[in-house]
Amino acid sequence: GENVEQHPSTLSVQEGDSAVIKCTYSDSASNYFPWYKQELGKGPQLIIDIRSNVGEKKDQRIAVTLNKTAKHFSLHITETQPEDSAVYFCAASRDSGNTPLVFGKGTRLSVIA
Amino acid sequence: SQTIHQWPATLVQPVGSPLSLECTVEGTSNPNLYWYRQAAGRGLQLLFYSVGIGQISSEVPQNLSASRPQDRQFILSSKKLLLSDSGFYLCAWSVAGGVFFGPGTRLTVL
Repeated sequence: GENVEQHPSTLSVQEGDSAVIKCTYSDSASNYFPWYKQELGKGPQLIIDIRSNVGEKKDQRIAVTLNKTAKHFSLHITETQPEDSAVYFCAASRDSGNTPLVFGKGTRLSVIA
Repeated sequence: SQTIHQWPATLVQPVGSPLSLECTVEGTSNPNLYWYRQAAGRGLQLLFYSVGIGQISSEVPQNLSASRPQDRQFILSSKKLLLSDSGFYLCAWSVAGGVFFGPGTRLTVL
């Protein structure tokens, strides 16, 4: 089955700097890769996703890149702000998300003002 | 727009007691429904998923069970809770891609 590895487990950046979180997956049939942000005591919130037919997707300060050959994808947050501090999870699934997601173990991002 | 509800928000139960957590989704039809568990400071573990009424797939053998009595209702149950059942339980739904989580239930078993 699918296995998703996520690095780093913790990340501290200065406000205004960029943050990058990387994930690798094992199942070459996976074609849907979402990212979630989880604040303390809340459910994960979908912030961006990418499908295997594109290599990059941007939404304001957030971007995701996908390298299907290497089976890895990354989340990029630019101009970080204190409110970006949270735990971020990557995930992967087949069938464009209609099969259950397999999650990475999460990255705790701290943005220092 | 779609909304997902979970209750209760928090629950403290003694070991050996029963459990029933409920999840409902509004604003969509025939969603895929999921139960995930998150242990303290850890990742998301898939417990059950359902593609339709009465159709439940179990991912992890344990003392929990799930049922889907209606299209947009998903229930997580246990007859006898264990200490190891403590955690943050999350219900989620999806239709044609995109998985969306509810607010979660914090369960503490003492």
